[in-house]
Formats: sequence, C-alpha cells, structure tokens
Amino acid sequence: EPEVTQTPSHQVTQMGQEVILRCVPISNHLYFYWYRQILGQKVEFLVSFYNNEISEKSEIFDDQFSVERPDGSNFTLKIRSTKLEDSAMYFCASTGRRGQPQHFGDGTRLSIL
Amino acid sequence: AQSVTQLDSHVSVSEGTPVLLRCNYSSSYSPSLFWYVQHPNKGLQLLLKYTSAATLVKGINGFEAEFKKSETSFHLTKPSAHMSDAAEYFCVVSDLLRGGSQGNLIFGKGTKLSVKP
Repeated sequence: EPEVTQTPSHQVTQMGQEVILRCVPISNHLYFYWYRQILGQKVEFLVSFYNNEISEKSEIFDDQFSVERPDGSNFTLKIRSTKLEDSAMYFCASTGRRGQPQHFGDGTRLSIL
Repeated sequence: AQSVTQLDSHVSVSEGTPVLLRCNYSSSYSPSLFWYVQHPNKGLQLLLKYTSAATLVKGINGFEAEFKKSETSFHLTKPSAHMSDAAEYFCVVSDLLRGGSQGNLIFGKGTKLSVKP
C-alpha cells in the first residue's frame, strides 16, 4: 500500500538555524498538509497546499514558515529561523480528494537547542 | 467553528474486555468524522471514517464507531481489547464544509489506551 514518507525521522538544530523537513506524499494525491504536535498537546493544522500554492494556513504558520513542492514528488516545510517553541513532531499528510481521509507519514521529531 | 472533545485522556482496560473511547463533536454542518490511532514513534493511521452514509461505521482491527446526531457523539468501541491495541487514539473532524476550506483536520486531544494482561 502506498505510504507518505518523511525524512529525517529526527532533526536536532540550534536555535536560529534554518531547517527543512521533507515529505514524499502518495504519488497520485493532490492535496498536501503539514500538522504539528507539541509534546503533550493536540495535533494542530499548519498549512494546506493544492495546485502548487498554499490554500490555507493557520495562525501558527507565520512568516518564518514556508512550503514548497520543488518537483513532482517532494513537499517540504522550511522554518527560516528556528525558535525553542518550534520543537515538536511535524506530520505531513496527503489525500486525493478534499474530505477524504488523509494519509499521514511517521513524522519528523524536531528538537531545537 | 468545528471542534471535537475527547472526554478521557487515559483509559485502561484488561485484555479481552470491551473498549469505549468517548468523543463529542461540535459542528454547524453535517460533519465528516474520523478516528486515527498513533502507536509509539509511528505516524497517524486511519481506523475508520464517518461521512453520512451509515451511522454505524466499522473500521480496521475490530473497531467500530456510532454517529449519534442527537448526542453529538462519535464514540469508538471494540468488543475485546488486545495487547496490540495499546496506543493513542484521536477523534478528528474535517473542516471541509467551511467556505474555502481544503478539508483541514481538527484533532481532539487524544486518549491513551492502556491494555493490561
């Protein structure tokens, strides 16, 4: 069964550094999402992406964040200047149609020192 | 605004006994509801979905959930717990029917299920 894959599984970065989290969605999916889960808190929506542009973003997704689909397979989340509070598990998800279940990757654990 | 409330942060059952994980939702529209499971150090796996076709929804691994509009509930049940069911379970609503939404998911806080031998 096709899977969403995320790399790396764990990223440790110094505060203020840039970080790029990578995702390969399921190949025929059209809608892509990033979510995050701070330790002990609920999973929160960050951004949705469709037709090569951001379709919606949450209040969390400020100017420090950006997403890109640089080629036909990868979907990346960049944090320009990381803060301690960016430490969280970041999940990528994709679906073929709006409203259909989203398929999630195993997540990237981001630790900011 | 749509939201979900999971009433228990932690549920502990003995192997072979029934499981009940409670979820209430708030929605201005007929919602799309899901249950996802997260095993330690793994991603979120879909257990089942409700999209208005039938109120009793069967999912994987023997789980099922019943949509009750009058109670705004979507509780997850399983007749007999297995050790491998120990995980965190999330009740989720899709934001699809809000104008402009791309179907973003709104998660409950999760219920950690422990299964004792």
